[in-house]
Amino acid sequence: DQQVKQNSPSLSVQEGRISILNCDYTNSMFDYFLWYKKYPAEGPTFLISISSIKDKNEDGRFTVFLNKSAKHLSLHIVPSQPGDSAVYFCAANNDMRFGAGTRLTVKP
Amino acid sequence: GAVVSQHPSRVICKSGTSVKIECRSLDFQATTMFWYRQFPKKSLMLMATSNEGSKATYEQGVEKDKFLINHASLTLSTLTVTSAHPEDSSFYICSAKGPSGSRADTQYFGPGTRLTVL
Repeated sequence: DQQVKQNSPSLSVQEGRISILNCDYTNSMFDYFLWYKKYPAEGPTFLISISSIKDKNEDGRFTVFLNKSAKHLSLHIVPSQPGDSAVYFCAANNDMRFGAGTRLTVKP
Repeated sequence: GAVVSQHPSRVICKSGTSVKIECRSLDFQATTMFWYRQFPKKSLMLMATSNEGSKATYEQGVEKDKFLINHASLTLSTLTVTSAHPEDSSFYICSAKGPSGSRADTQYFGPGTRLTVL
């Protein structure tokens, strides 16, 4: 039972534009969400997190939005840079399971 | 941030042999460690969760006799792939988490181990 889902396997954006990565979850008891970035043949690195008591958390070019009623979170990257090209995973801290990941490609 | 290491980074073995992968938290005490497997172009699949000093909890479909996990100390967990077969070839990643409320109270990932079984 996949409680964290990323339904878009890939996303391609132009450098300088906004990248929006989406994640849905099913368990309303989840209270902490994280985004990780992963390059090939490396372990994931923590990017940004959000607690369920907030609806937005911002860190530089990265902003995560949480819509609890819709059980949906999104990661916004603006402006996107070619170095952002990677696979992005969302996870719920309670569960330690990851969504399927979205491969972001930022074109120069 | 906290540092997690894995050893070896890459291993090639013959079918039927056993391979041990180590995961160490270098600057914090990892009360919980996780083992993941990643297939090409697929997500990270959680294999098992281990708490220091107790038996690992395996996810459904993961053979506990095939993938032996030992979390003997607060800084070391090992995954042993027993009687490895070519289908066990994969990228194995560990992560470690410190006590609740500590600075390491989130998952920190190791760099991964590429296992190739011939």
